[in-house]
Amino acid sequence: RKEVEQDPGPFNVPEGATVAFNCTYSNSASQSFFWYRQDCRKEPKLLMSVYSSGNEDGRFTAQLNRASQYISLLIRDSKLSDSATYLCVVPRGRNSNSGYALNFGKGTSLLVTP
Amino acid sequence: DTGVSQNPRHKITKRGQNVTFRCDPISEHNRLYWYRQTLGQGPEFLTYFQNEAQLEKSRLLSDRFSAERPKGSFSTLEIQRTEQGDSAMYLCASSLEAPQETQYFGPGTRLLVL
Repeated sequence: RKEVEQDPGPFNVPEGATVAFNCTYSNSASQSFFWYRQDCRKEPKLLMSVYSSGNEDGRFTAQLNRASQYISLLIRDSKLSDSATYLCVVPRGRNSNSGYALNFGKGTSLLVTP
Repeated sequence: DTGVSQNPRHKITKRGQNVTFRCDPISEHNRLYWYRQTLGQGPEFLTYFQNEAQLEKSRLLSDRFSAERPKGSFSTLEIQRTEQGDSAMYLCASSLEAPQETQYFGPGTRLLVL
């Protein structure tokens, strides 16, 4: 099993639609999870952090299922500006010498159309 | 701008040449990470510093790659005897030393090896 797996898409949805992305991870010891957004030819930017069962921020909801090692990102009322690649991110693991170096999925591409 | 900065933003070089990239982290961040991203993939971890100490290297960091952070502030990533397979976006990120710190990414250096 790859460390972080995502459906690459692309997901093409009309404005106003609800869209969900899924992600599975292999490191059962992970305690924190992230969704980053990456626009074309730009750097990744943090969208949401997930530390417990889930997190909600406006139109965005992230949910975590530790038993299934599965994370999801739900976007409601999609906007044209939501078009981007969404990266599922899981820390590589922590030991006494390591910080939170990150494992990224390949990303899921979203295109919101008028 | 007080974010992470990287220079140069673009570099074109011929195979066999050496290249060096620089990253200036957010000033109070003592952790600094280097990642590499190729087309269609998520960023892949290369190495990590806490202050001036290089604490972790991935297997992707071959002996042609070396990274330094001599004074615990800016960092350099050098690639010797570049190969076409080194063509990628090289991303730097920094974070605070805290239990669940967020990594903030710089704009990246895009390398093309001809």
